[in-house]
Amino acid sequence: DAKTTQPPSMDCAEGRAANLPCNHSTISGNEYVYWYRQIHSQGPQYIIHGLKNNETNEMASLIITEDRKSSTLILPHATLRDTAVYYCIAENAGGTSYGKLTFGQGTILTVHP
Amino acid sequence: DAGITQSPRHKVTETGTPVTLRCHQTENHRYMYWYRQDPGHGLRLIHYSYGVKDTDKGEVSDGYSVSRSKTEDFLLTLESATSSQTSVYFCAISPPATNEQFFGPGTRLTVL
Repeated sequence: DAKTTQPPSMDCAEGRAANLPCNHSTISGNEYVYWYRQIHSQGPQYIIHGLKNNETNEMASLIITEDRKSSTLILPHATLRDTAVYYCIAENAGGTSYGKLTFGQGTILTVHP
Repeated sequence: DAGITQSPRHKVTETGTPVTLRCHQTENHRYMYWYRQDPGHGLRLIHYSYGVKDTDKGEVSDGYSVSRSKTEDFLLTLESATSSQTSVYFCAISPPATNEQFFGPGTRLTVL
């Protein structure tokens, strides 16, 4: 499984876009990039995932570079409730990996008023 | 929210006693997982199941056993609890062919 690297912490002003980077320079061709977040004391929550193309859903956008060595999670209008630890994970989708995930330390995003 | 519950939510026990944590789902998902989370370590996979009676070890399985006799329940057992097993335990479920895991609310276990 590819190792991911994320900054330990970031700050963002409420209402502004939060751009969370992730480096996965050793990602293999069949590994997806997944993003989860964990709000204090709660279980992690799935946000979005992608393979090669940029993805968008109601929560966020995922931008993956053409060489797939890095990605950025974008929260377009951050709110105080987006304060959480954000995890970037590179994994094979289901199949022989049985959907397992390997969590790193993540990025602590703090949204301030 | 995915129908996933954990019981108990909080437990205090003594070293050497057996402890069983229960994860229950109403989603009929095939895959289930147990993680533990400790300060400085993030979430680590203990055991996982890919079907009834089909289980395998994760990253930190020593001292833990699991059982899955029916689709909806995945039990995590600490045969003889130790203080190093004080942690927050999360259960997760996932449909096959995806890594979209849905997590339960967690169980906070304290071993004195």
